[in-house]
Amino acid sequence: KAGVTQTPRYLIKTRGQQVTLSCSPISGHRSVSWYQQTPGQGLQFLFEYFSETQRNKGNFPGRFSGRQFSNSRSEMNVSTLELGDSALYLCASSPGHRSGRISTDTQYFGPGTRLTVL
Amino acid sequence: DAKTTQPNSMESNEEEPVHLPCNHSTISGTDYIHWYRQLPSQGPEYVIHGLTSNVNNRMASLAIAEDRKSSTLILHRATLRDAAVYYCILRGSGGGADGLTFGKGTHLIIQP
Repeated sequence: KAGVTQTPRYLIKTRGQQVTLSCSPISGHRSVSWYQQTPGQGLQFLFEYFSETQRNKGNFPGRFSGRQFSNSRSEMNVSTLELGDSALYLCASSPGHRSGRISTDTQYFGPGTRLTVL
Repeated sequence: DAKTTQPNSMESNEEEPVHLPCNHSTISGTDYIHWYRQLPSQGPEYVIHGLTSNVNNRMASLAIAEDRKSSTLILHRATLRDAAVYYCILRGSGGGADGLTFGKGTHLIIQP
């Protein structure tokens, strides 16, 4: 089975621009979660999608958004980029369950997209 | 999710066992204990999880205290490739978000 893939792997943008990152989950996985990793804040949960619906969102401003398509692929978008948005953005997929979190569910992470904002 | 406490860093020698501790004194009865690790320049990867009984898989063993307020991830024979940040995460059932709550983790250094 192919793993989680993320594109692009590296991206350089300037302040004020917007960016779209893409994630293809493992085949058959219906839940996709996004995380931001920075040296100062560590790994932080952004949001999770299941069956094209955002089920919950972490503590990030509205500039961060996402969506999920019917084939479970997901994109996240960051508008009006700030210097502090420079980070590694990680996508993780899991089989997921309609009723919500399953305590034994394992998340499989992609390699991440390294975003640098100049 | 309940909070976990791990040492910031640990050092071990190659080919020796490594015991990585995690304290979770506020764990609830239905919380599973999960371990993930993140190798340099990679995304996190799942290592192991358990509820009450000790667990073994090809990567590691998980020893859970009888009162479940602490656990230990055991790497039986560390290699240089085990150098990573190890995260102990509690995961309960519930509706809504499927996100993991990562702490700072333990930075494991393996000396050749």
